[in-house]
Amino acid sequence: AQSVTQLDSQVPVFEEAPVELRCNYSSSVSVYLFWYVQYPNQGLQLLLKYLSGSTLVKGINGFEAEFNKSQTSFHLRKPSVHISDTAEYFCAVSDQQAGTALIFGKGTTLSVSS
Amino acid sequence: DAGVIQSPRHEVTEMGQEVTLRCKPISGHNSLFWYRQTMMRGLELLIYFNNNVPIDDSGMPEDRFSAKMPNASFSTLKIQPSEPRDSAVYFCASSLGTPVSGANVLTFGAGSRLTVL
Repeated sequence: AQSVTQLDSQVPVFEEAPVELRCNYSSSVSVYLFWYVQYPNQGLQLLLKYLSGSTLVKGINGFEAEFNKSQTSFHLRKPSVHISDTAEYFCAVSDQQAGTALIFGKGTTLSVSS
Repeated sequence: DAGVIQSPRHEVTEMGQEVTLRCKPISGHNSLFWYRQTMMRGLELLIYFNNNVPIDDSGMPEDRFSAKMPNASFSTLKIQPSEPRDSAVYFCASSLGTPVSGANVLTFGAGSRLTVL
């Protein structure tokens, strides 16, 4: 079975600073990896996904993530954040072969202040 | 398309009462998922349907919970009897294809916030 660990529950940053949200996963098989974002009182929206190919994945709103198989990580980065990036971010994993539904991490709250 | 539609958005009920949450997936999507979100446990998968058939219900907490998908455009999650520990936000999501295809781009509804007193 897969599991996801988001290492930071809260990340406070100043506007225009870079940010990295960390995600590690545990799985004995090949996986698909995802980042979703949840704005207050809304459902989750897809930011980006890694299915195969290039390990650097670009998503919406200037976010990108890098798949590192040896470190079983899929960290999310943005070089310069905006106030509007304040939200909760979820890393998720699914098993490529078994076709399991997404397993989510507990989320990281990104708070951007001016 | 109006997206995934959930109702009610908010429900406050008393312990022991029956609660029914409803979901209308995006037209054409053939996979539907129910998740529960709490501060303590984060997002937990409760059940997953593909082509209206339950595929994985291992996350359903206990017999008090049941889910149905009578047709491609409607699903319900029922809790009977409800307990205070069931208080959470319940999300419905749908997708085109199955997880094994990698088509796990879930579209989430806005959620149903349940409070059991």
